[in-house]
Amino acid sequence: DVKVTQSSRYLVKRTGEKVFLECVQDMDHENMFWYRQDPGLGLRLIYFSYDVKMKEKGDIPEGYSVSREKKERFSLILESASTNQTSMYLCAIRDSNYNSPLHFGNGTRLTVT
Amino acid sequence: GDSVTQMEGPVTLSEEAFLTINCTYTATGYPSLFWYVQYPGEGLQLLLKATKADDKGSNKGFEATYRKETTSFHLEKGSVQVSDSAVYFCALNSGYSTLTFGKGTMLLVSP
Repeated sequence: DVKVTQSSRYLVKRTGEKVFLECVQDMDHENMFWYRQDPGLGLRLIYFSYDVKMKEKGDIPEGYSVSREKKERFSLILESASTNQTSMYLCAIRDSNYNSPLHFGNGTRLTVT
Repeated sequence: GDSVTQMEGPVTLSEEAFLTINCTYTATGYPSLFWYVQYPGEGLQLLLKATKADDKGSNKGFEATYRKETTSFHLEKGSVQVSDSAVYFCALNSGYSTLTFGKGTMLLVSP
């Protein structure tokens, strides 16, 4: 079974804090993704990475950065958290075949107060 | 750009009723199409997929047929159960590495 592990299920942070969301995979897949999910807006792509140290902006990268120093780990960073970043964050992975499905982690529910 | 449109929910059904969730798409080329399901408190799980026109994806009693002429990929199930209550997302691959998702349709099944 594919395993995508997100480090926290629930996280509460204060405005202005630096926040790290971690995602680890056990499948050696090249592609890793960060989405945020909000009611009425569905899933929106923040960033993705197709290889170690490689990253591409998605649809809503503002206010976020990412890091991929090792193939199995993809981190999402909120440099200075704001209340409008309160959301569900989902990590996903996929192999090199773009017709393959994404495999998702269970998500991190982040609340910024 | 590519886009996916799903019917708005919630869809409310009684157990054993027939389910249809509509999905239409706009895309260049020949995308692969997917249905994902999200149960409360969990991430998304792949439900089924189709990679070319007229393909039928099926899993757990759910089916969807890739209709290129109508650019649709409607999800159907003949007899829903309470345990099918979840949010369903239609998606297509819209580039060399990303998926484009619809906004999701919540299904509520009552006993």
